[in-house]
Amino acid sequence: DAKTTQPPSMDCAEGRAANLPCNHSTISGNEYVYWYRQIHSQGPQYIIHGLKNNETNEMASLIITEDRKSSTLILPHATLRDTAVYYCIVSPFKLIFGTGTRLQVFP
Amino acid sequence: DAGVIQSPRHEVTEMGQEVTLRCKPISGHDYLFWYRQTMMRGLELLIYFNNNVPIDDSGMPEDRFSAKMPNASFSTLKIQPSEPRDSAVYFCATQDGGKTLHFGNGTRLTVT
Repeated sequence: DAKTTQPPSMDCAEGRAANLPCNHSTISGNEYVYWYRQIHSQGPQYIIHGLKNNETNEMASLIITEDRKSSTLILPHATLRDTAVYYCIVSPFKLIFGTGTRLQVFP
Repeated sequence: DAGVIQSPRHEVTEMGQEVTLRCKPISGHDYLFWYRQTMMRGLELLIYFNNNVPIDDSGMPEDRFSAKMPNASFSTLKIQPSEPRDSAVYFCATQDGGKTLHFGNGTRLTVT
């Protein structure tokens, strides 16, 4: 599976958009980009996934560059409850989690 | 739907004892995954099943670890004998063949 690189931590003001980057320069054609998050000690929670096209759901938007070597997860209006570790995973199927980005949303 | 149900939520045991962790998948989900999470190693995939059959157990750390799925509604992860370094949070996750993994709330295992 392709390796991903994420910043270890980010801050975001409540109400602002949180943009979380992920590099996956060795991604293969059949590999999807997945985003999960883990709030405190709960089980990871699915956010969104995509292959080539940008995707949006009720939680977030996923922007994938045309060459698919990087992506950005966008939380349009971050709240305190969005404070969590966010994982970007690239895989055709089974999910191997890296160290993720710890997002801290502050008031 | 109640989601993925894991039991117990917490387990404290002494070194050398057998430990059994349990998972009830979401009905209709035919993939089941076991993960382990520690501060040092993060989230590690241990094993996964498809239609009750183990497909990939390459992440199982040692022979002391074994996992079974006797039917579509139940899976166990057993550690025998347990050691302090097995202390971790163990997560079960299931999937219906789509792209979304649903995780349980985990079992926090402490081996003294």
